[in-house]
Amino acid sequence: DAGVIQSPRHEVTEMGQEVTLRCKPISGHNSLFWYRQTMMRGLELLIYFNNNVPIDDSGMPEDRFSAKMPNASFSTLKIQPSEPRDSAVYFCASSFPGPPTGELFFGEGSRLTVL
Amino acid sequence: AQRVTQPEKLLSVFKGAPVELKCNYSYSGSPELFWYVQYSRQRLQLLLRHISRESIKGFTADLNKGETSFHLKKPFAQEEDSAMYYCALSIHNTDKLIFGTGTRLQVFP
Repeated sequence: DAGVIQSPRHEVTEMGQEVTLRCKPISGHNSLFWYRQTMMRGLELLIYFNNNVPIDDSGMPEDRFSAKMPNASFSTLKIQPSEPRDSAVYFCASSFPGPPTGELFFGEGSRLTVL
Repeated sequence: AQRVTQPEKLLSVFKGAPVELKCNYSYSGSPELFWYVQYSRQRLQLLLRHISRESIKGFTADLNKGETSFHLKKPFAQEEDSAMYYCALSIHNTDKLIFGTGTRLQVFP
């Protein structure tokens, strides 16, 4: 398994543009998490899904952010419109079904720069 | 409120020196704590979990409920330990993890 796959790896866009980040979790995993990493705030949980259903989106900063998981093998995080303060590395992670172990498997991240 | 605090952004030591990366937490329930590590150009990965009481790559971490701490320690640092380290707290015994802001460990030769 190639692990969690994220795309694009790098995105540079201008303020006001729509940004879509994509994630393919590890096959068989049933929980998926979106995190944002910045120097100042570290890793912040934005939203997580269990069995494709959003369970907790309390970390989503504002209405400009939305996330979907249409099926078990794909999720998107969309920012519309984007702002310079959204510049960060966005990580997707997934975990096994069953009793929680605390082990999340992370993708390589999508580095977003909003000019 | 649930919170994980890592007071040091950067910790620099020489090879062979002891290392302690600090982590404090705030949580009203029974805490489940973890350390994650991100080596240069690698993915963030689990290093150890407190419930296992294990030593991984020479690192150990003891949960101190009285001091609400979960510091990561290693008696003799190696250059390959240079990485970003994150302390994490499991919420309500789920895989939802709250991370600290991270500490970058630099080990000089």
